Amino acid sequence: NAGVTQTPKFRVLKTGQSMTLLCAQDMNHEYMYWYRQDPGMGLRLIHYSVGEGTTAKGEVPDGYNVSRLKKQNFLLGLESAAPSQTSVYFCASLRGGGIRADTQYFGPGTRLTVL
Amino acid sequence: AQKVTQAQTEISVVEKEDVTLDCVYETRDTTYYLFWYKQPPSGELVFLIRRNSFDEQNEISGRYSWNFQKSTSSFNFTITASQVVDSAVYFCALNRGSTLGRLYFGRGTQLTVWP
Repeated sequence: NAGVTQTPKFRVLKTGQSMTLLCAQDMNHEYMYWYRQDPGMGLRLIHYSVGEGTTAKGEVPDGYNVSRLKKQNFLLGLESAAPSQTSVYFCASLRGGGIRADTQYFGPGTRLTVL
Repeated sequence: AQKVTQAQTEISVVEKEDVTLDCVYETRDTTYYLFWYKQPPSGELVFLIRRNSFDEQNEISGRYSWNFQKSTSSFNFTITASQVVDSAVYFCALNRGSTLGRLYFGRGTQLTVWP
């Protein structure tokens, strides 16, 4: 049982390049989330999904797209990377199904640098 | 508007000292959940505790204890007899009772414990 995994762990991009971050969970969780962590800012929600085929915007969605084609995977895409997207990205999952008292489980993070 | 405030950006203590990390939250919901996560230097986020708004009992787990006071909207975290391994960034987070599981994080407190 690997929990939540993220690929890749590190990446360096040039401005304007595109990439996709992959999050996978093996806990059969319904809900998944993408956060970014910047120094002194805590974690901020980018996008989230409450089920296969559904996505919704969080606090800071601009410049990102997401897809949840399979229940166990949640992809975060950057179509044209900008230096402001240099950050550490965390994926999380939660059992869901309207259970309010649930706990989010986080992946190990992806450190992205945009030059 | 900041929903979770961690006023202490950095705290330094010497091993064996007790230390309290403050967390003040803001919500008008009657049902909500509060969390603490630890982020050690390795970068992953480790869940420490969840507390719901109906349970104001303080909780103790080994050297860790949490004080939840609805009257002051605070959920403070105390480490007794701190150890070097406690050095980490600690995040307080709020789920405003939403079935979507969305978390609002504070900006974190960097705790450094010196030997």
